[in-house]
Formats: sequence, structure tokens, C-alpha cells
Amino acid sequence: GESVGLHLPTLSVQEGDNSIINCAYSNSASDYFIWYKQESGKGPQFIIDIRSNMDKRQGQRVTVLLNKTVKHLSLQIAATQPGDSAVYFCAENIRGYSTLTFGKGTMLLVSP
Amino acid sequence: DSGVTQTPKHLITATGQRVTLRCSPRSGDLSVYWYQQSLDQGLQFLIQYYNGEERAKGNILERFSAQQFPDLHSELNLSSLELGDSALYFCASSQTGARATNEKLFFGSGTQLSVL
Repeated sequence: GESVGLHLPTLSVQEGDNSIINCAYSNSASDYFIWYKQESGKGPQFIIDIRSNMDKRQGQRVTVLLNKTVKHLSLQIAATQPGDSAVYFCAENIRGYSTLTFGKGTMLLVSP
Repeated sequence: DSGVTQTPKHLITATGQRVTLRCSPRSGDLSVYWYQQSLDQGLQFLIQYYNGEERAKGNILERFSAQQFPDLHSELNLSSLELGDSALYFCASSQTGARATNEKLFFGSGTQLSVL
């Protein structure tokens, strides 16, 4: 069936760099997207969300971009810090459904 | 702290056994979701309850069952356990769990199940 997928399983960056984590989705009926951060031993933690009627949304040091034409979602983290090291998941909500479908996840490693 | 409480944090058991995982949602949330996380499958949706009633079903095995009680806490029952059932089991909650409301889910810290 259709699912959310990620391009890069691991991303290594230096502290202070900007990080970009990508996500492809295949269901054109998806109308809500969320990025979650999961640290070791913890549950997924909400970072930022975006609805399909938007192209961009900004939070504190994070920006989510949505390109519906190519069904692509990205998470940009500015001035990446060692505390940002975690697995990042994108998740989609398909219109008419009450649940979230998660991608496989990308490991972000930040070196001091 | 997400406000979602899961117990126990760790569970070690043998094949063929039955276990119960417990979840208390955030205060005020009516909907509870169960997800399974394994290394090869990622986060897989199992089942959703809303105010005591089953609302949605995902990739949940027949050996697994869940329920949501009047106080809104939920239990996930796993029976006839197999080695492949070893995984992290997460509970999440949301305010209504209704369709088309675009609600974010808040996750607990999970229960690590090891089947030996």
C-alpha cells in the first residue's frame, strides 16, 4: 500500500550547521503532516506540523516545507546542536482517517 | 513529559506467554492509539480507541487485543507471544481522535517487550 518514506537513513552534521531531513509521501489524499523527534529510550516527541493548504511553517529553529507537486516534505533545523541528535520521523494523516502513518525515520548525528 | 503514561517500561517474558501493557492518556484526551516499533518495520499503527469504543484498526495481529476503560486508560493484551513480537510498544493520545480534525498525537515513553 501507499506509505511515507525517507530518502536518507543517517545524516551526520557538525554543530552549528543547518540540517535538512527529507521525506517523500505517495498518498495524494494526505492533508496533514507532522515531524516527530525520538531520542534514545523515549517516545516520539512532536516538533512541528503543517497542513496541506500551506507550503511552509516555521517554529523555533525549525522549518517545515511542503511541496505537494512532488509529494515531498522537509524539516530544516537551523544551527544544529548536539541535543538535536535523534531519529526524526515524518508522519502523514490521510484525509478521512483518524490515524497517522509514519515513515521509517532518519537518524541525525550532530558532532561537537 | 508528554503526559501519557505507560507501564511497565520493560517486560521480559517467554514464548507462548501473555502480557498486558497499560496506558493512561493525557488529561482530557479521549482517544488512545497503540503503535508497535521494531527496527525493520518502524512505527506501525495497531489500533485506536475513542471514549471506550474501537475507532480504527491497523496491522494488529489476532493474538493481540486492546480495550479502553471508562476512566479512559487503555490496555494492550498480547498473547501466544512469539520471538518476533519483541518490540517497543507505544501508546499515544489525542483530544478527540476524530477524522478530519488534524490532531497531533502525544506519545508515551513506551514499553520494551522482550520475548525470549
